[in-house]
Amino acid sequence: GENVEQHPSTLSVQEGDSAVIKCTYSDSASNYFPWYKQELGKGPQLIIDIRSNVGEKKDQRIAVTLNKTAKHFSLHITETQPEDSAVYFCAASRFYSSASKIIFGSGTRLSIRP
Amino acid sequence: DVKVTQSSRYLVKRTGEKVFLECVQDMDHENMFWYRQDPGLGLRLIYFSYDVKMKEKGDIPEGYSVSREKKERFSLILESASTNQTSMYLCASSFFRLGEPSTDTQYFGPGTRLTVL
Repeated sequence: GENVEQHPSTLSVQEGDSAVIKCTYSDSASNYFPWYKQELGKGPQLIIDIRSNVGEKKDQRIAVTLNKTAKHFSLHITETQPEDSAVYFCAASRFYSSASKIIFGSGTRLSIRP
Repeated sequence: DVKVTQSSRYLVKRTGEKVFLECVQDMDHENMFWYRQDPGLGLRLIYFSYDVKMKEKGDIPEGYSVSREKKERFSLILESASTNQTSMYLCASSFFRLGEPSTDTQYFGPGTRLTVL
């Protein structure tokens, strides 16, 4: 079935350094790739997304890249700050006639060391 | 601001009890979803609904049912709770209207941590 693999499961970086989280997906018909951030005690919240017609998207300190041929996509966070500590989920979906069904990765717990 | 609320943050039930988890969204969204979140497994879709009284099975529907009688409310029902249903349950909603662009963004509630003893 459809699957999204996410690595690493935990990541610890020094404040100010960059963090990279990688995902692969199995459904070649996937055309939408969101990233969600889940802070302690809260539900996941969308932080950035990319559609299959672009290879890269940037929003301030975060960027996503997509390689459709290899079915890989990645999240890059530069100049990390303490508030970046959270669990991050990648996801992939394809649009159905009535609703999009999103498949989530297993999550990456990011810790920023002061 | 989109708001998705869930009836309880923490719930403790006994094996065999019938459990209702309620979710309400205030953004007139067509789509609503129920996920369970377990360590190392990410978010797994239990059921979703794209309209009132409509429902579709997700990846792990066994042991669960859902109800959507009103557009803003989506209920998850555990007919006979079991210990392996101890988990965090997350509700989400998203916008869709046929013929209009969909953002696909899902808005999540804060979650209900259910413990079945």
